[in-house]
Amino acid sequence: GEDVEQSLFLSVREGDSSVINCTYTDSSSTYLYWYKQEPGAGLQLLTYIFSNMDMKQDQRLTVLLNKKDKHLSLRIADTQTGDSAIYFCAEISGRDDKIIFGKGTRLHILP
Amino acid sequence: NAGVTQTPKFQVLKTGQSMTLQCAQDMNHNSMYWYRQDPGMGLRLIYYSASEGTTDKGEVPNGYNVSRLNKREFSLRLESAAPSQTSVYFCASSEALPPSTEAFFGQGTRLTVV
Repeated sequence: GEDVEQSLFLSVREGDSSVINCTYTDSSSTYLYWYKQEPGAGLQLLTYIFSNMDMKQDQRLTVLLNKKDKHLSLRIADTQTGDSAIYFCAEISGRDDKIIFGKGTRLHILP
Repeated sequence: NAGVTQTPKFQVLKTGQSMTLQCAQDMNHNSMYWYRQDPGMGLRLIYYSASEGTTDKGEVPNGYNVSRLNKREFSLRLESAAPSQTSVYFCASSEALPPSTEAFFGQGTRLTVV
């Protein structure tokens, strides 16, 4: 079945770049997403990439997609304390349009 | 623009009690979802509804029932609550097809079963 995997924790010093990685199994995925969840809140879409792209940049965010290896990454440049959150990778199943989420990566910012 | 509204925000139940979590969206979305979020487990799909009148089991459906009352509303029912159902529950909605496939989430319901 479809699966999305990501590491559970990442610690980064303030000002450094954060790289959050994700792997997925559904080769028919058309869109891949990064969602952000701040403490006590629901998830909000951060950015997305279409499967025929290999890179997307949006201000401090860079999404890289390696479709051959089914690997997606999110790079946050100049990480700030406000970036502290849980980041979820997600894909749209090509079979039934269901959204499949990873377990989330908790980003912790060190002073 | 309310988006996805969940009620209640907090609930404490005794083991064996029943309750229904309500969810409504005002974006005319076809697909709606119920997830539970537990520490270290991420988001797990309980049930989803691809369109009005259809519901399908997700990853962890046992102990839950759902009802897609109409296009706007998707409720989650716990018939006999168990401590293992202590969790944060999120409702979400989305359009079924790209490009508008962003999922919009409610603020969550924190449920404690004692």
